[in-house]
Order: sequence, then C-alpha cells, then structure tokens
Amino acid sequence: EAEVAQSPRYKITEKSQAVAFWCDPISGHATLYWYRQILGQGPELLVQFQDESVVDDSQLPKDRFSAERLKGVDSTLKIQPAELGDSAMYLCASSFTGAVGGTQYFGPGTRLLVL
Amino acid sequence: QQPVQSPQAVILREGEDAVINCSSSKALYSVHWYRQKHGEAPVFLMILLKGGEQKGHEKISASFNEKKQQSSLYLTASQLSYSGTYFCGTLPQGGSEKLVFGKGTKLTVNP
Repeated sequence: EAEVAQSPRYKITEKSQAVAFWCDPISGHATLYWYRQILGQGPELLVQFQDESVVDDSQLPKDRFSAERLKGVDSTLKIQPAELGDSAMYLCASSFTGAVGGTQYFGPGTRLLVL
Repeated sequence: QQPVQSPQAVILREGEDAVINCSSSKALYSVHWYRQKHGEAPVFLMILLKGGEQKGHEKISASFNEKKQQSSLYLTASQLSYSGTYFCGTLPQGGSEKLVFGKGTKLTVNP
C-alpha cells in the first residue's frame, strides 16, 4: 500500500538553529500539504502545494518558515531560526487532487523538540 | 472557523457504543473523519459530502446533517483497536479548499 514518507521521524534542536523536514507524497498525488500539530490539538495547515505551486500559505510564519516543492514531487519544510514555540509534530499529507473533498493521506510525521 | 467536537473524551468498555459529534458555524461542503493513535499519523476513515448521506467503515459509520451543519461518528460494539483520538475536518461551502480540524475526541476502550 502506497504511503507518504517523511524524515526524520524525530528531531531535537536548540533554539536559533535551522531545521529541515522532508516529505515524499504518494506517487501520482499532485497536492501536498504541510500541517503542524501541537499536542492535544488538531492539525493546522501551514502550506498547500498543487504540483510545484503554492496554493495556500496564509498560516505559514514566513519570517522563519519556508517550503518548497521544486519538481512537483517531494517537498522540504525549513525553519530558521527555530524557536521554543515551534516544538510540535509536523505532518505531511497528499491527495490525488486538490479539488474540494479530496481525501488527504498523512505521513508518520516529524516530531520536533526545540530546546 | 474551527469545528467543535464533543465530547472531548470518552471511556468505554469493549463492546459498548459511542457517538462523537462535530459541529460547524459555517455551511459545509464536506466533513472528513480521521483516527490518530498516540505518536502516529492520522488515518483516514471517511468523507461525508453535503446531502445528508451516511457512510460506514467496518463497525464505524457517520452521518451528516446539512441543516444543522453537524456530523456524527457512530462506533458500534467498540473494539480495543478503536482507541485513539478522533478528528473531524471540515470544508466550508464557497470555494475554500483548506481543511480545518477540530480539537479531537479522545476515545479509550478498556477490556
């Protein structure tokens, strides 16, 4: 069964350092999403890609966060510099289509701890 | 406009039934249900589109009341494997393609 891949699974860093997360969506899925999930909360969308283009990044803190999907396949989310409040689970999801109602499939996530 | 889930938590014995509700203040196009076990990714359960349809997945089913903008998830004869946190995600009518998740309902099934 095809799955969304993410790495690393866990990351511990000190504040002010740079971190990067990688996501490989299910093959053929044109739409890719990055979510942040704080403990005890539901996932919150950070950025949505349709192929290589950003569709929605309204909730992405652009002063420190960046995301790219250069060839329209895998994607990287970067935080520089990391802050204590960035500690969370970062989830990647993909869907075959970004059309309303399309099923999103989540990867295992990267759990980030900022010290 | 985050949907409101209720209850926040529920504890069951194996074999008992439960209902989890998800309400929105906005007119909805669809409701998506996921289950997440501790430390794992959310797993898709089902989508309900406007029209009031009811869907099922094993002994888990759901309905969508378009008039109330509310969806309910029904867990029948619960199994230990049903334990986890259930999230609803809602897509409003009107063109937004951003799924907004509720805070989740933690379900614990005990032997």
